[in-house]
Amino acid sequence: KAGVTQTPRYLIKTRGQQVTLSCSPISGHRSVSWYQQTPGQGLQFLFEYFSETQRNKGNFPGRFSGRQFSNSRSEMNVSTLELGDSALYLCASSLLDSQSTEAFFGQGTRLTVV
Amino acid sequence: GENVEQHPSTLSVQEGDSAVIKCTYSDSASNYFPWYKQELGKRPQLIIDIRSNVGEKKDQRIAVTLNKTAKHFSLHITETQPEDSAVYFCAAWGSGGSYIPTFGRGTSLIVHP
Repeated sequence: KAGVTQTPRYLIKTRGQQVTLSCSPISGHRSVSWYQQTPGQGLQFLFEYFSETQRNKGNFPGRFSGRQFSNSRSEMNVSTLELGDSALYLCASSLLDSQSTEAFFGQGTRLTVV
Repeated sequence: GENVEQHPSTLSVQEGDSAVIKCTYSDSASNYFPWYKQELGKRPQLIIDIRSNVGEKKDQRIAVTLNKTAKHFSLHITETQPEDSAVYFCAAWGSGGSYIPTFGRGTSLIVHP
């Protein structure tokens, strides 16, 4: 079956702009979580959505938001981009939640803010 | 909140040797501890996990041990092969409905042929 798909794979944006990233989970998976990966901070949890509701949220400013649609696809939005937002953004899907069922990661979206 | 420390940051071994990566965590309520492998330019993949009611788990050449009292868990890879070269991340997840995972900074494992 198809894996987790993230689009686009690469993005270059200017400071102050906003960006929307997309994640299509594995068919049947209802949980989608988002992560930021940087060389300095490593992997950090952003938020998790389940059945269109944000279930958990990490320690990121309100500029980072997300949503989930009825088909479980999820989008992440970052407004007023800063240079420090340059990172690899990963999403992961799991059947129920990543503690009880394995989380499968997408390839990520590499965001560069200039 | 939870704090996870991972050591070493880099580990270089000869093919056939064993490799051990250690993580410590701070929140005694954490109850799920997965390990992920991330090859260069690829997505992280779960390689093994352990829950707080188990002390050790093994899967072929890979094993994970958990010491709840000392709040540390370790990844053991035996008979290393060049294809084991990757960055390995540990993580600790909360309990009681708290889903927020905390990751270690990663260990770059290099297996020399």
